[in-house]
Formats: sequence, structure tokens, C-alpha cells
Amino acid sequence: QKEVEQNSGPLSVPEGAIASLNCTYSDRVSQSFFWYRQYSGKSPELIMSIYSNGDKEDGRFTAQLNKASQYVSLLIRDSQPSDSATYLCAVYGGSQGNLIFGKGTKLSVKP
Amino acid sequence: NAGVTQTPKFQVLKTGQSMTLQCAQDMNHNSMYWYRQDPGMGLRLIYYSASEGTTDKGEVPNGYNVSRLNKREFSLRLESAAPSQTSVYFCATLLGVNTIYFGEGSWLTVV
Repeated sequence: QKEVEQNSGPLSVPEGAIASLNCTYSDRVSQSFFWYRQYSGKSPELIMSIYSNGDKEDGRFTAQLNKASQYVSLLIRDSQPSDSATYLCAVYGGSQGNLIFGKGTKLSVKP
Repeated sequence: NAGVTQTPKFQVLKTGQSMTLQCAQDMNHNSMYWYRQDPGMGLRLIYYSASEGTTDKGEVPNGYNVSRLNKREFSLRLESAAPSQTSVYFCATLLGVNTIYFGEGSWLTVV
């Protein structure tokens, strides 16, 4: 079974700080990588997608991908209390051809 | 969550009863997925369908059956519900390799 691993947290950061969320995956042939944010009682919403090595920036969010190390990260700059949520890493493709999620990291941003 | 509709949103079942969760999408996506989400377990794939008429098992298929009779609909059936199937169920669709949409979720309690 191919795996996607995340630290469960909780990760606590002060308002205005940078939050760093990490994810590793086991299937080397994976093609696409996603970060989702999920508020309690709601469905996941897509924040970022990344497909090639390097950084991808969108507003306060930066996704980083290193396929050689099988590592994906999400940086949230100027963290806000509204960023408090569970962040899910998802990996698509690979030998099974489906979308696999990590267990999520709970982020808490303190005012 | 526009475009992916799940029904019902809430359901209480007695052990041994059967029911079907319905998922419909109006975005003409090929791939559809059923996940369950339990506290601390993240999203676990039950079944997926890469195209109309095809289905494949995911990580936790036992106790479930699925049906993809057309491109628009993907249903999940519990033939004999068990308390271990108490969970939140999410349907999702994938377009290509970079666009994923979730339904709003179905909260199922088996007593």
C-alpha cells in the first residue's frame, strides 16, 4: 500500500509567523501533489497543486516539491487565526493510479 | 462544492440495514472517488472509478459496493451496516491531473 505521511500535530504558531507543513510519499512514480485545507465539519478545499520540482507561490502560500527526496511542503506566511484548520497532503498517480491522502496536520494560529 | 452533489447529508441506520449513498457530478469528469473520514485517520479511499463502467478497490473496500452506471453518477452501497461504518463519507471527482472537487459530505451513524 502506497503511503502519504504527515505529522499529525497540532502545530501551533503565533499570528504573523510562518507555518511550515511537511509531507512525504512512498511511491516514486507519483505525478501530482496537492494541499487541502479542511475546517471542522466541512469538506476539504484545494489550496495548492504542484507537479514539478521547485517552489510554487500563490499569495501567502508556497508549495515546495522535491521528487528525489519524495517530499512536499507547504509554507504559510503571515499566518492568521483564520488559517487554523487541518491541512491534508494528497498525492495522485503512481502505480495505483488513484488519489491518496495523508492523515492531516492540525494547525492552530494563536492571536 | 458546486458540481458534486451527495445525498443524503445525514443518515442514521440500525445495524444490519442497507443503504446507498448517491453522488452526482455535472462537470463531465472521468474519475470519481469515495472516501471515508474518521477522527485521526484522515481520508481513506474506499473505491474509485477511473471511467464509466469501471471500478477499483481502494484502501478500505470491505463492507461496501459501488456502481458507476454512467459518467455522472457514482453510488456507494452498504449492504449490511455495522457500527464500524459510522463515519463521514466524501465523494470526489478528478479532472485530468490537477482539478479535484469534493462533495459536501454525508454523515452516517450506525447504531
